[in-house]
Amino acid sequence: NAGVTQTPKFQVLKTGQSMTLQCAQDMNHNSMYWYRQDPGMGLRLIYYSASEGTTDKGEVPNGYNVSRLNKREFSLRLESAAPSQTSVYFCASSEVGRSYGYTFGSGTRLTVV
Amino acid sequence: AQRVTQPEKLLSVFKGAPVELKCNYSYSGSPELFWYVQYSRQRLQLLLRHISRESIKGFTADLNKGETSFHLKKPFAQEEDSAMYYCALSGWETSGSRLTFGEGTQLTVNP
Repeated sequence: NAGVTQTPKFQVLKTGQSMTLQCAQDMNHNSMYWYRQDPGMGLRLIYYSASEGTTDKGEVPNGYNVSRLNKREFSLRLESAAPSQTSVYFCASSEVGRSYGYTFGSGTRLTVV
Repeated sequence: AQRVTQPEKLLSVFKGAPVELKCNYSYSGSPELFWYVQYSRQRLQLLLRHISRESIKGFTADLNKGETSFHLKKPFAQEEDSAMYYCALSGWETSGSRLTFGEGTQLTVNP
């Protein structure tokens, strides 16, 4: 089972460049999420999509946009990358309901120079 | 608002010693709590959730609503337990549930 697949695994961008992080899940989950992981700060929610066709801001949405393309795919776009966006990005998905927890992708390590 | 606090960023123990990773939370409703583990540069994996009251890899955690805590415990630590551990709370928002994570505790088990 693939679970949650993220691409690319690594990326280096120059300040001001744009890029899209891709995420796809094959578990028929309704909800999908994007987090960033920074040392000493844990995981912070950027955006989430409770169900197909809906998206909502999380804790740190500035500088990002998202698209829930269909039930399987949830992409994260950086329109004009900044060094402060250097981080590890994780996509996750879950069943509806609080008790199931999330399934995570393997992460994208992004460096903005 | 929901918040999770893990007071120890780093924790170091010797193999065979007991280990306790602390987690405190604040949430006005009835919380759902989880522990996730991340081995070196890998994806986060669900370790356990309080609702199932299960024990995974010898770890247990009990929800203490009076102290608003969900500490993770293991009686005899192993070297392979070295990893980053995250406590997480699932609250209920009008747009659906979402997890809030603590800052994480890096556990090192020394031989």
